[in-house]
Amino acid sequence: EAGVTQFPSHSVIEKGQTVTLRCDPISGHDNLYWYRRVMGKEIKFLLHFVKESKQDESGMPNNRFLAERTGGTYSTLKVQPAELEDSGVYFCASSQSSMGFSGTSYEQYFGPGTRLTVT
Amino acid sequence: AQTVTQSQPEMSVQEAETVTLSCTYDTSESDYYLFWYKQPPSRQMILVIRQEAYKQQNATENRFSVNFQKAAKSFSLKISDSQLGDAAMYFCAYRIPKEGGGATNKLIFGTGTLLAVQP
Repeated sequence: EAGVTQFPSHSVIEKGQTVTLRCDPISGHDNLYWYRRVMGKEIKFLLHFVKESKQDESGMPNNRFLAERTGGTYSTLKVQPAELEDSGVYFCASSQSSMGFSGTSYEQYFGPGTRLTVT
Repeated sequence: AQTVTQSQPEMSVQEAETVTLSCTYDTSESDYYLFWYKQPPSRQMILVIRQEAYKQQNATENRFSVNFQKAAKSFSLKISDSQLGDAAMYFCAYRIPKEGGGATNKLIFGTGTLLAVQP
């Protein structure tokens, strides 16, 4: 079974440009999460999709970030225009279920991340 | 506010020795989950071990075990018989299980501890 994949693995762009990150979750996982780690800091939650719907986008930094998950499969995260402080590693995770009182169906499986560098 | 603190940015251990990584968290919830994730260099993050807050018994997974002190809000990870492959960034994380509309089940992470294993 393929794991969570992310593309690209690394992106270097200039301030003001646009970048789109892609995440392909594990097949059959309805829940998809985006997280970000800025250098030396904690990994922070950005948003959560259940199928194609945004369940929680409380962690999105500002309106320069736009996440989509058309058809409930892969997701994209667009940053437009990019700023220096957007640099970091963007992680995607997926889980079969979002409810977790027992069992492992809620376990979040992570992708390798996309390292974004804004210069 | 829900926070996770990892006070050791870096740790080092000799191969075959034991090392303990510390983690404290802050929450007013009584039911939650705690996790340790491992991210090897240039590879994706994987779940090492999980602990349900309502369980008094400390979780164990082979050479990995936790010391869960609920009253102290402490959740340390002990790695026994350390191996070269244990070298990685370790993240402590916390999650409140919720269900129903608006439930997100997002993970709240610490800043990570970089573990080096010396041969």
